[in-house]
Amino acid sequence: LAKTTQPISMDSYEGQEVNITCSHNNIATNDYITWYQQFPSQGPRFIIQGYKTKVTNEVASLFIPADRKSSTLSLPRVSLSDTAVYYCLVGDPQTGANNLFFGTGTRLTVIP
Amino acid sequence: DTAVSQTPKYLVTQMGNDKSIKCEQNLGHDTMYWYKQDSKKFLKIMFSYNNKELIINETVPNRFSPKSPDKAHLNLHINSLELGDSAVYFCASSHTRTGFAGELFFGEGSRLTVL
Repeated sequence: LAKTTQPISMDSYEGQEVNITCSHNNIATNDYITWYQQFPSQGPRFIIQGYKTKVTNEVASLFIPADRKSSTLSLPRVSLSDTAVYYCLVGDPQTGANNLFFGTGTRLTVIP
Repeated sequence: DTAVSQTPKYLVTQMGNDKSIKCEQNLGHDTMYWYKQDSKKFLKIMFSYNNKELIINETVPNRFSPKSPDKAHLNLHINSLELGDSAVYFCASSHTRTGFAGELFFGEGSRLTVL
């Protein structure tokens, strides 16, 4: 199972773009990359999932280089309400492993 | 109309007691999970059930026993509670489409404090 490494914390000012990188050097061929967001006193919430190149939805973008050994979650123009912990997961959806192993997460603090 | 609901939200109890946390999902999902989040915010998988069958049991003491009476429910029973069991326990569910596990939907968590 691919282990993930993320920065422990990040600070950003409101209105800026935030990029959070996750390293997963041992990612396997069938593994997908999934990001979750967790607010205090709530369960995590799915943000985005991808396999390669770039995925974009209404909330974020996910950039995955060709070697897939890392991925970057990009949050455009963050607001105070984006202050949360962001988790990167790597695993094979065909086995359900994509849903199992949360890393330490990155605590993002958005500053006014 | 909460999708994944857990009860109780808070639970304070003494060491050695037995307690249960209940979870229900109304999403029609076929897989349910229990996760434990400790004080350092590490979120760890404990159990995974697919269609009422246990498929994952991650090095959890056998004092923890999950029970799935039907697809929509996954309860967690804990015997002989210890101080180290204090944590927030999250229930989650996901749907598998054509062998591809979908994203997780989490409950709001149950904060267990063992005194």
